[in-house]
Amino acid sequence: AQSVAQPEDQVNVAEGNPLTVKCTYSVSGNPYLFWYVQYPNRGLQFLLKYITGDNLVKGSYGFEAEFNKSQTSFHLKKPSALVSDSALYFCAVRDGNAGNMLTFGGGTRLMVKP
Amino acid sequence: DTGVSQDPRHKITKRGQNVTFRCDPISEHNRLYWYRQTLGQGPEFLTYFQNEAQLEKSRLLSDRFSAERPKGSFSTLEIQRTEQGDSAMYLCASSSWRGLAESYEQYFGPGTRLTVT
Repeated sequence: AQSVAQPEDQVNVAEGNPLTVKCTYSVSGNPYLFWYVQYPNRGLQFLLKYITGDNLVKGSYGFEAEFNKSQTSFHLKKPSALVSDSALYFCAVRDGNAGNMLTFGGGTRLMVKP
Repeated sequence: DTGVSQDPRHKITKRGQNVTFRCDPISEHNRLYWYRQTLGQGPEFLTYFQNEAQLEKSRLLSDRFSAERPKGSFSTLEIQRTEQGDSAMYLCASSSWRGLAESYEQYFGPGTRLTVT
């Protein structure tokens, strides 16, 4: 079985400050990890993924994430938050050794205040 | 390159009625997925097709749910005898797989919001 935990329902940050949205995962095989963002009344948009290789992956809109195998974490980060980053963020995992289904966390609402 | 499209965007139905949703994936994508998302939760996997073959089904996909992808292009998801608990956003996603070349990420459509009264 595979699972994802996003321990924070909401993260508040001031514009221009760095942000971190936390994600931990559990999977039997090799973890394939993803971050998606959801704006109101819109579908999920892909931000970035970790499949293999460098533990620090860069994605869209200046976001990056760090894969930490020992802590089974894949935290999303951005050096300087924008008000337009305010949205719902989902972490997802897929077992690279079995199947193609994504298992999502419960989501974290990011609020960036001016 | 158009994205994943879903139709209808909203559906209100009475309990006990049947509903059908359609998903058109990104044109060159041969994998298609259905997920369900309830308010305040992350999406939950329902089923997945590679071309026209349905390869995975979740335990969430009860006998009242059926999905098809007859020609390996668009897909339909039918819910028979709808129940209030079926009220949710139904999301479709697609991805590309060509042997060793896989895109891994899934691209999602805007979803169909189902309300069962």
